Amino acid sequence: KNQVEQSPQSLIILEGKNCTLQCNYTVSPFSNLRWYKQDTGRGPVSLTIMTFSENTKSNGRYTATLDADTKQSSLHITASQLSDSASYICVVSAIGGYQKVTFGTGTKLQVIP
Amino acid sequence: DAGVTQSPTHLIKTRGQQVTLRCSPISGHKSVSWYQQVLGQGPQFIFQYYEKEERGRGNFPDRFSARQFPNYSSELNVNALLLGDSALYLCASSLVGNRAGELFFGEGSRLTVL
Repeated sequence: KNQVEQSPQSLIILEGKNCTLQCNYTVSPFSNLRWYKQDTGRGPVSLTIMTFSENTKSNGRYTATLDADTKQSSLHITASQLSDSASYICVVSAIGGYQKVTFGTGTKLQVIP
Repeated sequence: DAGVTQSPTHLIKTRGQQVTLRCSPISGHKSVSWYQQVLGQGPQFIFQYYEKEERGRGNFPDRFSARQFPNYSSELNVNALLLGDSALYLCASSLVGNRAGELFFGEGSRLTVL
């Protein structure tokens, strides 16, 4: 069964600090991995998308890494801002279409002043 | 350019009623997928449509149905509503249909069943 597990479930950090969110997956055959940011009550917004051959991808203060051997990904947020408060969802796609897309339950990040 | 638009944004129904949710994809996108997101959980795949045909279905009962129109907009119908159907229903569009390309989500329709 394809699964995506994220840790921690929730996280509180001070504004300006860095943090790293983790994603472990058991999805096969692997197609791509995406990180989304979801503000409360809003639709998810894509941050990064990574395929098998990509190890690192950055989007501003967001940097995602992928280790396809260990089936792990991380999302590093640098110099956090209050607007980074949101849920971050890891989404892993297997080859084979939309029914093969598996969402993690997300990490709820709160940035406090 | 407009993003994915969904309507209504919020609605309240009672058990046993029926609901129709609507989605307009980004211009040029021919694939639409629907997801159910219960509070505190990640989205769960319901349906995917591409070129007006159903291409994938998640583990949801037959009370859930959908269709895609010639202009690629889509409707999600849920019959005989249960309390457990209360959720945020997300629509996403993408350029490709036979593989999961980058998904662009709408803001969702928040359904409350009383």
